[in-house]
Amino acid sequence: GQNIDQPTEMTATEGAIVQINCTYQTSGFNGLFWYQQHAGEAPTFLSYNVLDGLEEKGRFSSFLSRSKGYSYLLLKELQMKDSASYLCAVVGYQKVTFGTGTKLQVIP
Amino acid sequence: SQTIHQWPATLVQPVGSPLSLECTVEGTSNPNLYWYRQAAGRGLQLLFYSVGIGQISSEVPQNLSASRPQDRQFILSSKKLLLSDSGFYLCAWSRTYPAGSYNSPLHFGNGTRLTVT
Repeated sequence: GQNIDQPTEMTATEGAIVQINCTYQTSGFNGLFWYQQHAGEAPTFLSYNVLDGLEEKGRFSSFLSRSKGYSYLLLKELQMKDSASYLCAVVGYQKVTFGTGTKLQVIP
Repeated sequence: SQTIHQWPATLVQPVGSPLSLECTVEGTSNPNLYWYRQAAGRGLQLLFYSVGIGQISSEVPQNLSASRPQDRQFILSSKKLLLSDSGFYLCAWSRTYPAGSYNSPLHFGNGTRLTVT
């Protein structure tokens, strides 16, 4: 089975940097996704990590350490529109399991 | 480009009534298809996934069922809804790659908000 842990809520200031952590335990690992979900909407894909290290995509970066079962999503230059839930998802064999998500509130 | 259609957007159904939610994908062939449910304030729960026509894997025992009558069509059904079936239902697709190679992200439909009364 798979177990995924993320903080429930976080608050950060506009223009700042925030790091959202995700730890996982899985019997089979084929990669990790990060998704953004605004309230009442479907999740949208942000990033994919399968090898250890940092993947950068604009203001968003994602890091993976397979040996530690750990990933984080880094959001830079926060904007008000970044207020959303951020979901960590582990790829197993043929299926993807999501964590419960971290609700990020960006304040002025 | 690929698109995913899911309908209806919202649905209010009485307890004990049947359910049918439909999802179709355009612009790709032989996609992996998924049904997820998200209860209010909760994470995404995988209900069913399918790697091909007629191939359905169930993740959670419940009164729901899924079918894939065509390559790009995925249907979620229930014969009798329960109050606990209320939630946000999301259909998703991903490309198929050989095992051990790249994994395609899941692309979600806009979801169906189901309220069972």
